[in-house]
Amino acid sequence: EVQLVESGGGLVQPGRSLRLSCTPSGFPFGDYTVSWSRQAPGKGLEWVGFVRSKPSGATTEYAASVRGRFTISRDDSNRIAYLQMNSLRTDDTGVYYCSRGNTVPGAKYYFDHWGQGTLVTVSS
Amino acid sequence: DIQMTQSPSTLSASVGDRVTITCRASQSFSSWLAWYQQKQGKAPKLLIYKASNLESGVPSRFSGGGSGTEFTLTISSLQPDDFATYYCQQYGAYPITFGQGTRLEIK
Repeated sequence: EVQLVESGGGLVQPGRSLRLSCTPSGFPFGDYTVSWSRQAPGKGLEWVGFVRSKPSGATTEYAASVRGRFTISRDDSNRIAYLQMNSLRTDDTGVYYCSRGNTVPGAKYYFDHWGQGTLVTVSS
Repeated sequence: DIQMTQSPSTLSASVGDRVTITCRASQSFSSWLAWYQQKQGKAPKLLIYKASNLESGVPSRFSGGGSGTEFTLTISSLQPDDFATYYCQQYGAYPITFGQGTRLEIK
């Protein structure tokens, strides 16, 4: 069974940093893109960014709202992905989800399995 | 950025009804569109990808259609488990963007 589990959320002050982890199971992690999305309380979904698989170059894409502050990385040997969040702002508050990016030929990624999410609260 | 606009924002319907949710894009991105279902406090669940492809394990009462800038999600006969919020997502261009969501509630 494909599963993804996020961890590392919590309460953090504005301007500080936090690192989230995504631990997968049930599939060959190294073959897939890993994406992060978030959801502010009572709001809709917002894509944060993703890291492609190593066969696809392990390159990253980010939303403009987080580019330069957030970094997504992966450690295939330890089967884990990270979302490093720096210079956090109050509007970064929300539930953060990691998901598996799947593709049909064309290298466009939709997200077929999601973790349960981890809550990040940015507040003084 | 491609803006995705869903309509309606809220839909009231009864078990057994046929319902359609529309998603309009501010520009074309071929058919790189997905639909997700989200229940309160839960993660999104993929229903449809590439506009009309049903994800494995998703009931056949769900179907997707459209191309260019207008897409639809249709539920042919609503079941009690279908009352949730639905999101469209374009993944043809960066940044990937979601619609604002359609809340499907029991009439």
